Amino acid sequence: QSVLTQPPSVSAAPGQKVTISCSGRSSNIGSNYVSWYQQLPGTAPKLLIYDNNKRPSGIPDRFSGSKSGTSATLGITGLQTGDGADYYCGTWDSSLSAGVFGGGTKLTVL
Amino acid sequence: QLLESGGGLVQPGGSLRLSCAASGFTLSGYAMSWVRQAPGKGLEWLSHITGSGGSTYYADSVKGRFTIFRDNSKNTVYLQMNSLRVEDTAVYYCAKVFSLGTFDYWGQGTLVTVSS
Repeated sequence: QSVLTQPPSVSAAPGQKVTISCSGRSSNIGSNYVSWYQQLPGTAPKLLIYDNNKRPSGIPDRFSGSKSGTSATLGITGLQTGDGADYYCGTWDSSLSAGVFGGGTKLTVL
Repeated sequence: QLLESGGGLVQPGGSLRLSCAASGFTLSGYAMSWVRQAPGKGLEWLSHITGSGGSTYYADSVKGRFTIFRDNSKNTVYLQMNSLRVEDTAVYYCAKVFSLGTFDYWGQGTLVTVSS
C-alpha cells in the first residue's frame, strides 16, 4: 500500500487532455514539494515535474503540475501515443523522514 | 550519467553490495538515493545519503538490513544489503537528489534476485 494514492489507470484519445491525481496527507504533500515521473516500458523513471509545477529543461509544456492542500495533479495536453507510460508522483514525508511515491498510474493513449 | 552495478542472484539471508558510479559530474556535492521496483510493481524509495555522507535515512522495510554509504574520492555511492529476503527481489536504481523527495537523474538500474 503506497503512502500516496493515484488512480491505477487512465486513458484518453490522441490530442485529448488527461489529468492524474495524487492524494496524500499534511506530512507529505501538504508540507513538501511534489514531483512527477514518467516511466516508459523497460526504462528508468524520468523527472517530468518538480517543485509542484516546474518543468526540467527539455520537458514540453504539454506537461503541467499543480498542488492544492494535500493533493497534486499532473496534466498532459495534446496527448501523443508516445505518452503511453506509467506516471508516478513523489514527495518527502516529514513525519516518516522518508521519500514516498504513489502507486503509479498507467496512461493508455487509445 | 549514473551507472549501477553489483546486482545478481543471491540466496535468502545472503548479502550483496550495489554500487552507483557517476560520470560527467562530481557526486560529492549532491545527496543521493536508492529506489527499487519489484517486478510489475511501483517505485519504492529505500534510502538517502547527504553529500557529505553525514546523514542517512531509510525506509522501514530495509532499516537495519541495508546501509547506504559513499566514497566521494571514487565518485561512488553504495548500498550494502544484508539479510536479503525473497521480497527484496527488484530492479534497484540510484538517483541523484534534487531536493528531498525529488530525483532529477536516475541510473539504468540493476536487477537483484533473491531466490533459493
